[in-house]
Amino acid sequence: EDQVTQSPEALRLQEGESSSLNCSYTVSGLRGLFWYRQDPGKGPEFLFTLYSAGEEKEKERLKATLTKKESFLHITAPKPEDSATYLCAVRTIKAAGNKLTFGGGTRVLVKP
Amino acid sequence: GAVVSQHPSWVICKSGTSVKIECRSLDFQATTMFWYRQFPKQSLMLMATSNEGSKATYEQGVEKDKFLINHASLTLSTLTVTSAHPEDSSFYICSASRSKVNTEAFFGQGTRLTVV
Repeated sequence: EDQVTQSPEALRLQEGESSSLNCSYTVSGLRGLFWYRQDPGKGPEFLFTLYSAGEEKEKERLKATLTKKESFLHITAPKPEDSATYLCAVRTIKAAGNKLTFGGGTRVLVKP
Repeated sequence: GAVVSQHPSWVICKSGTSVKIECRSLDFQATTMFWYRQFPKQSLMLMATSNEGSKATYEQGVEKDKFLINHASLTLSTLTVTSAHPEDSSFYICSASRSKVNTEAFFGQGTRLTVV
């Protein structure tokens, strides 16, 4: 069974304190790994797609990396507006259509 | 990015009534849409896959008679919660992708359903 595990569940950071979020996966065959940001009471907002080990994507203070077993979302010098829940999802070879399997998410709080 | 619009954003209904939630892809056609349910401080749980022109595919444990899905066009899928009960209160979110190949999914803004 495909599994996606995110850690930590929650992360409290001071503004400017860089950190990394982990998404480890055990899947039959990875077709893509996706990172989303979700604000309270809103739908997830797409951030990155990673397809193969060694791939990296960047957007402002966020950088996503991928290995054969896990992905990291690095937050560099975070600001309070980076506070959100970050969700990792995978799409596998076995999954019908564009079905995604989500991890439990990491709730990030950045204090000024 | 692509836009997926969900309506309403929130709804309150009485026990025993039915509620319809709409999900529209505004700038692309989506042959497949997905419906999720999210409980507080938890991740998204896939309920069903909505297929344009055919029956929806439900995940294990999801009652198809309780959660009716209709994908009548390439830009609209609806989820109807029938005979709602307080335990159906939740945050419901839809998603759609531009194509059938491996592309990112875009999500609606979600619908907060409260059954009283």
